Amino acid sequence: SQELEQSPQSLIVQEGKNLTINCTSSKTLYGLYWYKQKYGEGLIFLMMLQKGGEEKSHEKITAKLDEKKQQSSLHITASQPSHAGIYLCGADRRGDMRFGAGTRLTVKP
Amino acid sequence: EPEVTQTPSHQVTQMGQEVILRCVPISNHLYFYWYRQILGQKVEFLVSFYNNEISEKSEIFDDQFSVERPDGSNFTLKIRSTKLEDSAMYFCASSDSSSYNEQFFGPGTRLTVL
Repeated sequence: SQELEQSPQSLIVQEGKNLTINCTSSKTLYGLYWYKQKYGEGLIFLMMLQKGGEEKSHEKITAKLDEKKQQSSLHITASQPSHAGIYLCGADRRGDMRFGAGTRLTVKP
Repeated sequence: EPEVTQTPSHQVTQMGQEVILRCVPISNHLYFYWYRQILGQKVEFLVSFYNNEISEKSEIFDDQFSVERPDGSNFTLKIRSTKLEDSAMYFCASSDSSSYNEQFFGPGTRLTVL
């Protein structure tokens, strides 16, 4: 089965700082998803990447899928307290999603 | 904006009892999913459902679990004889395509088995 490793497991940053979260797959990624989860709540879709080298941005969040399609990064610019939560990468496997363990982000005001 | 809803938000049950978790997917979606998240652990895929039958299921989805779409709007997960280790958040999701498309997640049902 596809294993997704996320790093770091947790991250504490000062408001205004940039940060990067990584997701590495043991297999080629055909659809890589980033979701955000607030504690005890559902998952909110952020972005989906399919093509090697693809990069997408939404507000201050940018996600990239590397050329070999085995790693993705999520970059947040000028972090805000509203960015706090758990960021999950997910791999599409014939329609069902397998998730990494998540990166818990804390943003200190 | 359309959203996936789940009821109840929290279910407490005794070990060995049957529970039914309910989901109302987004109305024009055709693919439905259940996931679970044990406290502090990763979100795990349970089952996907399309055209009134299971399309994929994980090793977690054993004989004590079943899914049903009893009418045109609801999608249910039944756990026949709950065990302590079934305590988790259960998330329903739906999408309008089987792959490479956004899955919309519900807010989850927290199941506590005593």
